[in-house]
Amino acid sequence: GQNIDQPTEMTATEGAIVQINCTYQTSGFNGLFWYQQHAGEAPTFLSYNVLDGLEEKGRFSSFLSRSKGYSYLLLKELQMKDSASYLCAVMDSNYQLIWGAGTKLIIKP
Amino acid sequence: ETGVTQTPRHLVMGMTNKKSLKCEQHLGHNAMYWYKQSAKKPLELMFVYSLEERVENNSVPSRFSPECPNSSHLFLHLHTLQPEDSALYLCASSQDMGTGTDTQYFGPGTRLTVL
Repeated sequence: GQNIDQPTEMTATEGAIVQINCTYQTSGFNGLFWYQQHAGEAPTFLSYNVLDGLEEKGRFSSFLSRSKGYSYLLLKELQMKDSASYLCAVMDSNYQLIWGAGTKLIIKP
Repeated sequence: ETGVTQTPRHLVMGMTNKKSLKCEQHLGHNAMYWYKQSAKKPLELMFVYSLEERVENNSVPSRFSPECPNSSHLFLHLHTLQPEDSALYLCASSQDMGTGTDTQYFGPGTRLTVL
């Protein structure tokens, strides 16, 4: 079966750095997406990786290793507004998105 | 504001009621999706429409009935639901299906409670 694993919850301190991991086992691979979802709001697109390596976008970076079935989202200079759930999703060989259950990130002052 | 709107934002209904959820996208996209999001579970894809044709129906019970009258609008008709159907129902759209870079854009969802 297809499976996406990510931690259920993480806590970090304002101003610090946090890394949210995602491992996947899917039938085929056509890219990996990270979304941010604040409570009661729509998931919003953060990043897309299809080749191995690091993609940097401001305070957020996303890394992919296809051989290891592994990705992480790195958030730097954490702000209180970064408190949200972070969803990892992989596009499989049928171009369907397979979703993880999300990681709830709690930022403390 | 992602360009995808959903109404109503909240809905409480009894098991014998009939109601409809509405989604509208203002992005000129060709594909639209319905997802169910339950607490601490992955997003579950329910239906996919591409160019107004249904292309995916992931074993969803018949008490959920989708309708896509045009590429900008998507409805989910609800009939004789069960309490376990209580969840957040998310609509999304994307430019086209079948491409790896096809990013989905989500609406804010309808929080459904079935009594």
